[in-house]
Amino acid sequence: ETVLTQSPGTLSLSPGERATLSCRASQSVSSYYLAWYQHKVGQAPRLLIYGASTRATGIPDRFSGSGSGTDFTLTITRLEPEDFAVYYCQQYGSSPYSFGQGTKLEIK
Amino acid sequence: QLQLQESGPGLVKPSETLSLTCTVSGGSISSHSYFWAWIRQPPGKGLEWIGSIYYSGTTYYNPSLRSRVTTSVDTSRNQFSLKLSSVTAADTAVYYCASQPYRRAARSLLYLDYWGQGTLVTVSS
Repeated sequence: ETVLTQSPGTLSLSPGERATLSCRASQSVSSYYLAWYQHKVGQAPRLLIYGASTRATGIPDRFSGSGSGTDFTLTITRLEPEDFAVYYCQQYGSSPYSFGQGTKLEIK
Repeated sequence: QLQLQESGPGLVKPSETLSLTCTVSGGSISSHSYFWAWIRQPPGKGLEWIGSIYYSGTTYYNPSLRSRVTTSVDTSRNQFSLKLSSVTAADTAVYYCASQPYRRAARSLLYLDYWGQGTLVTVSS
């Protein structure tokens, strides 16, 4: 099973700042099969990025994904108030499809 | 776009079977382009993929839950369902259903693009 480790656990930033979230896999993720989700309390998780770097439909271009192999990054430039949430990475290259433990992005 | 909605009892007794249904709208559950997935999130913890099912009945399950999980599809109602047997307090979680695109040429299940709002299931006597 591929274990995903996200860092940091909590990130405290102000609106307008840049956020960099990391996701490290215990083994190489095949075919760039890595996704990022945004999750707010009481809401459905929202797909942001798939294929490591492709934005999902309707996702603003301030969200970007990069990386390959075992190291992946989600970058949010110019944080907006609505971006403060928990972010999860997920690999779908091999079953069982696993998630990271999440990074909480909070307002400083 | 697809919309999914979970339904089922919010309280299940220990040792009994948890049963949930997901109703899909905005598309057909018989689509060849999708698997249909269940994911859960225990209180204060992260997300866990439970399993995925195709309209034909092909299933993939998380090995950690395989012995207790059954999923099914009802194409006439555009629904799919989850049954988790012999539940304990550790199965208390918010349960989500989601759509999972399927790349047939590569036989690959992909990311989870549309999710339901989730339903809290508590296991308690």
